[in-house]
Amino acid sequence: DAGVTQSPTHLIKTRGQHVTLRCSPISGHKSVSWYQQVLGQGPQFIFQYYEKEERGRGNFPDRFSARQFPNYSSELNVNALLLGDSALYLCASSLRLAGGEQFFGPGTRLTVL
Amino acid sequence: AQSVTQPDIHITVSEGASLELRCNYSYGATPYLFWYVQSPGQGLQLLLKYFSGDTLVQGIKGFEAEFKRSQSSFNLRKPSVHWSDAAEYFCAVGAIRGSTLGRLYFGRGTQLTVWP
Repeated sequence: DAGVTQSPTHLIKTRGQHVTLRCSPISGHKSVSWYQQVLGQGPQFIFQYYEKEERGRGNFPDRFSARQFPNYSSELNVNALLLGDSALYLCASSLRLAGGEQFFGPGTRLTVL
Repeated sequence: AQSVTQPDIHITVSEGASLELRCNYSYGATPYLFWYVQSPGQGLQLLLKYFSGDTLVQGIKGFEAEFKRSQSSFNLRKPSVHWSDAAEYFCAVGAIRGSTLGRLYFGRGTQLTVWP
């Protein structure tokens, strides 16, 4: 079975631009979460979607938004990029809202110049 | 608020030696507990998890972890380290109830170097 997939693998943007990151969960998984991992730190929670509804939001500005589609894939959007948004963005999927294992994708490496 | 502390930023061990990575957490109840491993440029792979029951849990690649409620700890151990274990290790807690249900809180990670 395919694991969690993310696209693109790498991305270079300049300050002020907008970016869209994509995630496809494991088949049958209804929950998708997004995490930001800055170099040298642990992942930090951004969003969780379950059954196409936002079920949690971390301490990130409104420039960050996300959605989940009927097929349970998800997009993370970041507007007005800042240098500090440079990070590895990880997507995780799970069967349930909570209490289950979260399976992580390989991530999208975003560099903001 | 939930938090995870991994006090060791970098650990170096010789191949074949035993390993223990420390993890302490702060949470109002017993949370879900996880250890993940990350190789350079890769995503996170789950090593093991604790939800309830037996406080000594076995994971993949010969790793185990012990939950100690009195110490709010969930330390990861391996009796004999292999060179392929060199990676970064993250401890995480998951909320079991409330507004933060479903999200994971990670420590800052411990980088493991293995000498041949």
